[in-house]
Amino acid sequence: KAGVTQTPRYLIKTRGQQVTLSCSPISGHRSVSWYQQTPGQGLQFLFEYFSETQRNKGNFPGRFSGRQFSNSRSEMNVSTLELGDSALYLCASSRTGQGDYGYTFGSGTRLTVV
Amino acid sequence: AQSVSQHNHHVILSEAASLELGCNYSYGGTVNLFWYVQYPGQHLQLLLKYFSGDPLVKGIKGFEAEFIKSKFSFNLRKPSVQWSDTAEYFCADRGSTLGRLYFGRGTQLTVWP
Repeated sequence: KAGVTQTPRYLIKTRGQQVTLSCSPISGHRSVSWYQQTPGQGLQFLFEYFSETQRNKGNFPGRFSGRQFSNSRSEMNVSTLELGDSALYLCASSRTGQGDYGYTFGSGTRLTVV
Repeated sequence: AQSVSQHNHHVILSEAASLELGCNYSYGGTVNLFWYVQYPGQHLQLLLKYFSGDPLVKGIKGFEAEFIKSKFSFNLRKPSVQWSDTAEYFCADRGSTLGRLYFGRGTQLTVWP
């Protein structure tokens, strides 16, 4: 079966711009969560969506937002980009978010802010 | 706050050596523990997970982990590592929050041929 698909794979943006990243979960998975991975901070949780509702949110500023569509695909948006937003953004999908079947990660979107 | 600690930042081994990576978690409720591996340039892959039952859980690629409730530990082991095991290893706990994993900082494993 198809895995978790993240697009685009790479992005270069300028400070102050905004960016939208996309994540298509495994078919039948209704939970999508997002993480930011940096060498300094490791893997940090951004938010999680289940059935189009944000169920949990991490400690990130309001510039980071997301949404989930009825087909479970999710997008995250970062507005007013800062240099510190340069990171690998990962999404993970699971059936319910309980973790019983594990969480499957996509390959990530590498965002570079210049 | 819930947290996961990985004791070793960087481990260097020769091929055929035995491996043990330490992991401690803080959440004392329902157990949902995971080990993930990230090969260079690749995505996170699930090595194994533990929710209940036999505290010695076997995963893919010859890895296993032991859950010790009294120590809040979930250490990863492999009897004999290979050069291809060079990667970063992450321990994670779902804790009390649905859809969220609490990750350790990761351990970079380098295996010399």
